[in-house]
Amino acid sequence: EAGVAQSPRYKIIEKRQSVAFWCNPISGHATLYWYQQILGQGPKLLIQFQNNGVVDDSQLPKDRFSAERLKGVDSTLKIQPAKLEDSAVYLCASSLDGGSQETQYFGPGTRLLVL
Amino acid sequence: AQSVTQLDSQVPVFEEAPVELRCNYSSSVSVYLFWYVQYPNQGLQLLLKYLSGSTLVESINGFEAEFNKSQTSFHLRKPSVHISDTAEYFCAVSGSNDYKLSFGAGTTVTVRA
Repeated sequence: EAGVAQSPRYKIIEKRQSVAFWCNPISGHATLYWYQQILGQGPKLLIQFQNNGVVDDSQLPKDRFSAERLKGVDSTLKIQPAKLEDSAVYLCASSLDGGSQETQYFGPGTRLLVL
Repeated sequence: AQSVTQLDSQVPVFEEAPVELRCNYSSSVSVYLFWYVQYPNQGLQLLLKYLSGSTLVESINGFEAEFNKSQTSFHLRKPSVHISDTAEYFCAVSGSNDYKLSFGAGTTVTVRA
């Protein structure tokens, strides 16, 4: 079974530029999550999708971050414009149907450095 | 909402020695508890989880964790570590009425020969 795929693995941009990350979840998983992991901290949920609908985006900085999951499969997270404090690892995860007991399966992450 | 505190940020340990990683949580409702592990250059993966029933849960590679409701803890232990256990370990909690998974800051375990 293929795992969660993410690209790119690394990205370096200058502040005020834009960047996009892509995620393809495990086949058949209805729920997709984007997390931000700042160095020295645990992952923080940015947004959760159930199929192609948003379940929770309460911690997504909506003035600069956007995400979509068209057709309920893969997803894109965009930052525009980027700030220095956006430097972090962006993790994508998926689970079968989003229940609180479920195991989440994580991709390898995209490491973003904003200069 | 739930929160997690991992009491140790770094734990150096010699090979074949025991290790304990401490995790305390805060919640006003029943919880589900998880330990995830991140090996170097890999994504997070589930190590073990407590949902209900026996308070002692085990992983396939020798780790175990015990849910202690009175002390709101879910400490992770292994009686004898290997070099390959070098990784970052994250404790996480979700509430029985809340799908959101909250992570601790992580504990880096470095196993030395």
